[in-house]
Amino acid sequence: GNSVTQMEGPVTLSEEAFLTINCTYTATGYPSLFWYVQYPGEGLQLLLKATKADDKGSNKGFEATYRKETTSFHLEKGSVQVSDSAVYFCALRVNNNDMRFGAGTRLTVKP
Amino acid sequence: DGGITQSPKYLFRKEGQNVTLSCEQNLNHDAMYWYRQDPGQGLRLIYYSQIVNDFQKGDIAEGYSVSREKKESFPLTVTSAQKNPTAFYLCASSIDMIRGEKLFFGSGTQLSVL
Repeated sequence: GNSVTQMEGPVTLSEEAFLTINCTYTATGYPSLFWYVQYPGEGLQLLLKATKADDKGSNKGFEATYRKETTSFHLEKGSVQVSDSAVYFCALRVNNNDMRFGAGTRLTVKP
Repeated sequence: DGGITQSPKYLFRKEGQNVTLSCEQNLNHDAMYWYRQDPGQGLRLIYYSQIVNDFQKGDIAEGYSVSREKKESFPLTVTSAQKNPTAFYLCASSIDMIRGEKLFFGSGTQLSVL
C-alpha cells in the first residue's frame, strides 16, 4: 500500500538550530510528496511539495528533496525560529487518489 | 476571506447519541474530505466527496455518515455505532480530486465522549 513513516517526536530545538525531520515512503507507482504544517489551534496547511524524483520543494526557509533511491523526503531548515513551533506532517499522493499522511512530528523551538 | 469553516470547535457526545459536525467552504471547490486525527496516528480518511450528491468511504468509514446536498457543505455525523469517537476531526477541500494536491483545511472540531 501507499504510506509514509516519519520520525517520532517531539523535537525540541533552540532558536537558530538546524532542523531535520525524517520521512520515508512506500508507494505503488510514482507518488507526489508533501510536507504540511499545523500551527496550534489551526488546520493543516501545505508547506512544500515535490512531484518527481530529484525535485526540491522549498518554502519559508524549509527544504525537502525527493530521493527515489532512498524513498525519502526529509524536511530541513538551516535556522529555526520560535514561530516554527508546530506539528509537521509528511504526506504522499499516488495518481489522483487521496492524500496519505504520516503520524506528524511536533517541533518546539525555544528562545 | 475564502476558506473552510468547521463548527463547533468543541463537541461532547453522550453514549448512544448521534452528533453532527459542520463543514462549510466558500472556495468553490468540488472535492471535500473528512479526516480523523488521533495522537501518534496522523490523519486517517473517513469519507470524501468528489462532487455534489456523491461520496465514497475512506479507510475508517464505519460508524460515520455524510451527505453532500450542496457544493459548499459536507456535514459528518458520528453515529452511536462509532464506539471510540473521541478524536480531533478535520475537514478539507481541494479544487477537485484530479488537482487534489493542495488541500485546504478547516481548524477542526474536538469531539469528546461524556
